[in-house]
Amino acid sequence: TQLLEQSPQFLSIQEGENLTVYCNSSSVFSSLQWYRQEPGEGPVLLVTVVTGGEVKKLKRLTFQFGDARKDSSLHITAAQPGDTGLYLCAGASGTYKYIFGTGTRLKVLA
Amino acid sequence: EAGVAQSPRYKIIEKRQSVAFWCNPISGHATLYWYQQILGQGPKLLIQFQNNGVVDDSQLPKDRFSAERLKGVDSTLKIQPAKLEDSAVYLCASSPGLNSGNTIYFGEGSWLTVV
Repeated sequence: TQLLEQSPQFLSIQEGENLTVYCNSSSVFSSLQWYRQEPGEGPVLLVTVVTGGEVKKLKRLTFQFGDARKDSSLHITAAQPGDTGLYLCAGASGTYKYIFGTGTRLKVLA
Repeated sequence: EAGVAQSPRYKIIEKRQSVAFWCNPISGHATLYWYQQILGQGPKLLIQFQNNGVVDDSQLPKDRFSAERLKGVDSTLKIQPAKLEDSAVYLCASSPGLNSGNTIYFGEGSWLTVV
């Protein structure tokens, strides 16, 4: 069974701080996606990474796919209250089934 | 472009009762997913359709859960009989096709409380 473990599970930081969320697995994924979910809403896609070692930036968010395509990280620079939410990684297996991670709940305090 | 539509948004039922959720995916999307998300956790895939065929239902509790997508468009997820542990958000999602890297578009979810 493929599992995606995210850490930390919870994170509460002050506005302006930096943070990194990790997504780890023992399985290799053909691609990995990061989503943000706000209360009462479905997850919304932030980015898709496909190539091992790939780095993508989305404004203050930097996403990296591990060289072996088993892990990924999300780094947020100068966090803002609007970044608050549940961050989910999701890995695609060879059958194109997306397995979601355990989630990281982020709260950014003003 | 209209998003993934789900109904009802909220449902409260007693244990052992039945419930059905409906999903209308984005027009033209061949792949449809049903996920179960327990509060504070990541979504768990229940079933994945490609057009009207099932691609994966390995985590669907088939003794009580059923899903269909008869004409390859709308889908219905049914729970009968419901248990307390079925309390969760049921998310429907769609994507253009079975291609790694495709964006999955989620609906707002159907919130189920079993009492």
